[in-house]
Amino acid sequence: GENVEQHPSTLSVQEGDSAVIKCTYSDSASNYFPWYKQELGKRPQLIIDIRSNVGEKKDQRIAVTLNKTAKHFSLHITETQPEDSAVYFCAASPFSGGYNKLIFGAGTRLAVHP
Amino acid sequence: DTAVSQTPKYLVTQMGNDKSIKCEQNLGHDTMYWYKQDSKKFLKIMFSYNNKELIINETVPNRFSPKSPDKAHLNLHINSLELGDSAVYFCASGGLPLHEQYFGPGTRLTVT
Repeated sequence: GENVEQHPSTLSVQEGDSAVIKCTYSDSASNYFPWYKQELGKRPQLIIDIRSNVGEKKDQRIAVTLNKTAKHFSLHITETQPEDSAVYFCAASPFSGGYNKLIFGAGTRLAVHP
Repeated sequence: DTAVSQTPKYLVTQMGNDKSIKCEQNLGHDTMYWYKQDSKKFLKIMFSYNNKELIINETVPNRFSPKSPDKAHLNLHINSLELGDSAVYFCASGGLPLHEQYFGPGTRLTVT
């Protein structure tokens, strides 16, 4: 089955710096890779996703890159702000049959210091 | 107008009891999911229903029984609760065309 590894487990940056979180997956059939942000006591919120036919996707200050050959994908946050502080989860899924079986990484706790 | 809602938000109960968590989505999605988030924040899929049909059933004890009366609702019933069942349970839904999953607010279950 799919296994997703996520690094680092904690990340501390100064406001305005960039943050990068990396994930690797094991199942070459995976073709959908979302990223979720979870603030304390809240639900995971989808912030960006990428599919296997795309190498990079951007949305304002966040971007995701995918290397299918190496089976890894990364989240990049530029110009970090204190409100970016949260736990970030990557996930991978072999999308088929009308549903996604998301397998999550263990999460990265990002702290952005003013 | 909440997209994915769950009740209750908090559930405190004793070992051996039976409890249910309800989930509803108004996004018109065909597929709904249950996830468990443990004390270390690890998120793991438990079940998924597509149009009221069970399509994912991970290695979950059979004390856990999901039920989907219609595609907008997915409930989770747990029998004979154990201490290790304490966790946050999230419902999620996903639909065409891209099947992104959107999570409910979670139910924090505490078994004493």
